[in-house]
Amino acid sequence: GIQVEQSPPDLILQEGANSTLRCNFSDSVNNLQWFHQNPWGQLINLFYIPSGTKQNGRLSATTVATERYSLLYISSSQTTDSGVYFCAVAPAGGGADGLTFGKGTHLIIQP
Amino acid sequence: GAGVSQSPSNKVTEKGKDVELRCDPISGHTALYWYRQSLGQGLEFLIYFQGNSAPDKSGLPSDRFSAERTGESVSTLTIQRTQQEDSAVYLCASSLYPIYSYNEQFFGPGTRLTVL
Repeated sequence: GIQVEQSPPDLILQEGANSTLRCNFSDSVNNLQWFHQNPWGQLINLFYIPSGTKQNGRLSATTVATERYSLLYISSSQTTDSGVYFCAVAPAGGGADGLTFGKGTHLIIQP
Repeated sequence: GAGVSQSPSNKVTEKGKDVELRCDPISGHTALYWYRQSLGQGLEFLIYFQGNSAPDKSGLPSDRFSAERTGESVSTLTIQRTQQEDSAVYLCASSLYPIYSYNEQFFGPGTRLTVL
C-alpha cells in the first residue's frame, strides 16, 4: 500500500517562530489532508490539498503532486498551535478509499 | 447534525465481552469510515461504506470485528470477545464522496475503548 512519511517527528519552538512540516508519499494520490490533533484527541481539519497551494490565516500548505510531497507552513506560532500534526493520503483511482496516515509531527510551542 | 458524533465517548469492558460502537455521520454525507488509533499502530483505516456498495472488510483486524450501516445514516462497529489488544480510540469519519469526487473526510471525537 501507499507509504506516508512525516518529518520532523518532533519540533520544539518558541512562540512567534515559523515552522515547516513535511509529508512525503510513495504513490499518486487523489486525497491529501492535513490535520491537527488537539489535546483531547479531536482531529481538526486544516487543509484538503491533493495538489496546489492554500492559505488559511497563519497556516498555509503546498502539495507538489508530481514530486509526491506536501508542506505545511505555520507562521507566528502560538502556544495553541501545540499538538500533533498528521498528513493523510488516499491513492489515486481508489474512489472513496480510507486514508493512510503518517506517524505525525509532535509540535510544542513554548511561551 | 453539525458534525460527526460517536457514542459512547468512553467504554470500559472486560476481556471476552462484546462491545458496540456507534457513529452518526454528517447529514448528507454518503461515505462513512472507521479508523482506530493506538499507541503501537498509530492511526489505521478499518472499513468504509459508500452508498449501497458492499464494504471492503480487508482492513478489519480480525474476524471478531464487524460493521454495519443502515442506508446513508448510522453505522455500528461491533467487536466480539474483546481482547486487551483491542484497547484503542475508535474514530469515525464521513465525506461527501462521490459528489463532485470531493473526498475530504471529517472526523468524530472518537470512542476510547479500554479492555481490562
